[in-house]
Amino acid sequence: GESVGLHLPTLSVQEGDNSIINCAYSNSASDYFIWYKQESGKGPQFIIDIRSNMDKRQGQRVTVLLNKTVKHLSLQIAATQPGDSAVYFCRGPDNYGQNFVFGPGTRLSVLP
Amino acid sequence: DAGVIQSPRHEVTEMGQEVTLRCKPISGHDYLFWYRQTMMRGLELLIYFNNNVPIDDSGMPEDRFSAKMPNASFSTLKIQPSEPRDSAVYFCASSQRRDPVRAFFGQGTRLTVV
Repeated sequence: GESVGLHLPTLSVQEGDNSIINCAYSNSASDYFIWYKQESGKGPQFIIDIRSNMDKRQGQRVTVLLNKTVKHLSLQIAATQPGDSAVYFCRGPDNYGQNFVFGPGTRLSVLP
Repeated sequence: DAGVIQSPRHEVTEMGQEVTLRCKPISGHDYLFWYRQTMMRGLELLIYFNNNVPIDDSGMPEDRFSAKMPNASFSTLKIQPSEPRDSAVYFCASSQRRDPVRAFFGQGTRLTVV
């Protein structure tokens, strides 16, 4: 069936370096994706979203890139800080076209 | 707005007991979701409501689980009887009709069934 999956379950980066978190999707009809951040002991929080008519969208220190050819999106965090340590989820459509499913998540650890 | 409010934050119960988790969505939101999170299965969608009506409950594990939304400001997730494998963090989330996929999450209820 259609699903959203992540390439890496864990990612460790040095403080100050850039982080790249990847997500693959299988539904070519996908038209909307969201990235969430979940800190320890908290619920997921919205970071940034992107629609399929865009290739790139930037926020504050974060950029999401969408490659529809290979069905891949990524979240880039510039100058990673200790506060960025969290689990990051990409969210895409499920089998019924509803965007309520979450991928397994990637744990980002920021090293001092 | 105070955000999505869940209660209790922590619940420890014995196997076989009934457990009720509660959620107050953000005022004005039309969608309400219940998720379960475990290390093994990640964040799973259990059920969601639109305008208080259950739309998709295909994620509800089995008949021991039930969810209700008697009005726009309150929902419950009930497990009866509870089992140790139900131990997880349960999240409630809500969203608006104009942007249903952008959900706001509560702090979650950590359930431990012993």
